[in-house]
Amino acid sequence: TAGITQAPTSQILAAGRSMTLRCTQDMRHNAMYWYRQDLGLGLRLIHYSNTAGTTGKGEVPDGYSVSRANTDDFPLTLASAVPSQTSVYFCASSDSSEAVTGLPNYGYTFGSGTRLTVV
Amino acid sequence: GQNIDQPTEMTATEGAIVQINCTYQTSGFNGLFWYQQHAGEAPTFLSYNVLDGLEEKGRFSSFLSRSKGYSYLLLKELQMKDSASYLCAASDSNYQLIWGAGTKLIIKP
Repeated sequence: TAGITQAPTSQILAAGRSMTLRCTQDMRHNAMYWYRQDLGLGLRLIHYSNTAGTTGKGEVPDGYSVSRANTDDFPLTLASAVPSQTSVYFCASSDSSEAVTGLPNYGYTFGSGTRLTVV
Repeated sequence: GQNIDQPTEMTATEGAIVQINCTYQTSGFNGLFWYQQHAGEAPTFLSYNVLDGLEEKGRFSSFLSRSKGYSYLLLKELQMKDSASYLCAASDSNYQLIWGAGTKLIIKP
């Protein structure tokens, strides 16, 4: 089934440890995004990529890094996890990015999420 | 600053109609999205409005007034499966989505 795959589904991580959340899409979407979702708050953008080879910082980028070596993969790395990074993380993609193509964005496709607990 | 406001929670009865409001303030505007999110699941796209007026799609309709910075999602003939959170998001001048915290809709029999 076409879509976005995130791994792992959930993880408990000791503070100070590093971890990479994986995200792979098979829709050939050029734009990809990482969000965190916390209770009572909206989805907050961590990092984004308008096209392979480029990345940008979102609203809450501190403590996270990303790379976009190819169209399909967009991993998110926590270099040294802290308890405030406990959250549900969603990866998303869209089939056009206005910043690149000038076409309107008709919606994001989301992965199923990774529930991360930092203890 | 940029901001999206929507009610935290609403309750409605099966078979009835409910309207979920959203107001937004963004730096530039390139459209308004509504997403549905069931508990423990990912958000799924419902609608997109960029022009003023009402867009109807089956039991769901979405309205936009750009001059008022206002949108609503209208759900008709409510079913139990419509119990979910409904997320409003506005696209700003950089085409980034600014998200509301979501409205949890509870459907009662």
